[in-house]
Amino acid sequence: QQPVQSPQAVILREGEDAVINCSSSKALYSVHWYRQKHGEAPVFLMILLKGGEQKGHEKISASFNEKKQQSSLYLTASQLSYSGTYFCGTELFSLGGSNYKLTFGKGTLLTVNP
Amino acid sequence: NAGVTQTPKFQVLKTGQSMTLQCAQDMNHEYMSWYRQDPGMGLRLIHYSVGAGITDQGEVPNGYNVSRSTTEDFPLRLLSAAPSQTSVYFCASKQLYGYTFGSGTRLTVV
Repeated sequence: QQPVQSPQAVILREGEDAVINCSSSKALYSVHWYRQKHGEAPVFLMILLKGGEQKGHEKISASFNEKKQQSSLYLTASQLSYSGTYFCGTELFSLGGSNYKLTFGKGTLLTVNP
Repeated sequence: NAGVTQTPKFQVLKTGQSMTLQCAQDMNHEYMSWYRQDPGMGLRLIHYSVGAGITDQGEVPNGYNVSRSTTEDFPLRLLSAAPSQTSVYFCASKQLYGYTFGSGTRLTVV
């Protein structure tokens, strides 16, 4: 049930854009996005809920295709501070809503160079 | 608010020893989870809880026990440590929408 992320790694120059994808074979209640810097804990960026509601970061956007059970994270005009590993996490849809088990993909390592 | 507090930050165990990783949150969150993180594997769910007295297994529960006697605390017990349990362990609690993670416990089993 682990979601699949792609690509595994991305290298950018400052100011360039990137897209990170996340897909699941199961019906999703929500998709979460987190960023983790080396040696630190993951930090919540955004959540996308079934039905289209979106909550999170001001400068990073994401989409959720409920029909395909896919989500994409869009990083535009990247900054050096965007470097880190990005994880998508998914909660499956269950009777009454979420199954409350947040399962993560293996991550995408994003490196932004000057 | 201190957020999610994990102790200890580092621990070395001998094979066969038992120990408890502590996790506490002061935000009155109902949902709490334990993850382990290994290189190239992402974050894998060990156990989770939807409230005091209610726990359930995640993806990799073998060798670990949990209990949730209060809303604030969610300890993770290693029953008989094995080298395969060498990992970084994160506790997390759910806000209204996203999860807040503790700073982690780096565990080495020799």
